[in-house]
Amino acid sequence: QKEVEQDPGPLSVPEGAIVSLNCTYSNSAFQYFMWYRQYSRKGPELLMYTYSSGNKEDGRFTAQVDKSSKYISLFIRDSQPSDSATYLCAMSASGTYKYIFGTGTRLKVLA
Amino acid sequence: DSGVTQTPKHLITATGQRVTLRCSPRSGDLSVYWYQQSLDQGLQFLIQYYNGEERAKGNILERFSAQQFPDLHSELNLSSLELGDSALYFCASSVRAGSIYGYTFGSGTRLTVV
Repeated sequence: QKEVEQDPGPLSVPEGAIVSLNCTYSNSAFQYFMWYRQYSRKGPELLMYTYSSGNKEDGRFTAQVDKSSKYISLFIRDSQPSDSATYLCAMSASGTYKYIFGTGTRLKVLA
Repeated sequence: DSGVTQTPKHLITATGQRVTLRCSPRSGDLSVYWYQQSLDQGLQFLIQYYNGEERAKGNILERFSAQQFPDLHSELNLSSLELGDSALYFCASSVRAGSIYGYTFGSGTRLTVV
């Protein structure tokens, strides 16, 4: 079993929809959680980071962490065709120097 | 432009050969990370350097090695290449050794081994 699991998709939604992207993990030591967006043939770009449990909002994006369920989510409101990309979750335990990435979910927002 | 520069962008080479991938971190960043991305494995952490010293090792093969130079640029050396080494290789950088704020990634080097 991988430490971080992420549905590869693709996930297709109409423009304006609310998108929910999720990751589950098995290591209860993970405390730092991030979401990256990766466009085709580009490097991952940091979208949001959160520490421990709770919610964090930034514009149309909301990140949620539920440590009791070992589950994190990224919500995208009013999705746009420009949001079409692969979304990667990443997480790290305190005191370590590496992030463990999910395999990514490919999102397509249809105009 | 993220500020992390990777060269070359594309590399095609034959099995058994050796290649060197280069990374210049974002200005002010002391830590460099190397990741391999393949279709079935996702982003796999290879190795991290901080201010010239190795800090963490991941799933890096013995055929692979890296170093960070005094000017903070880093090189990833891949030798005795196999078809399975074909992948995207990303470099990322951060200010500190263990960044809770994530990394900044470069655009990657696409390696094709034929």
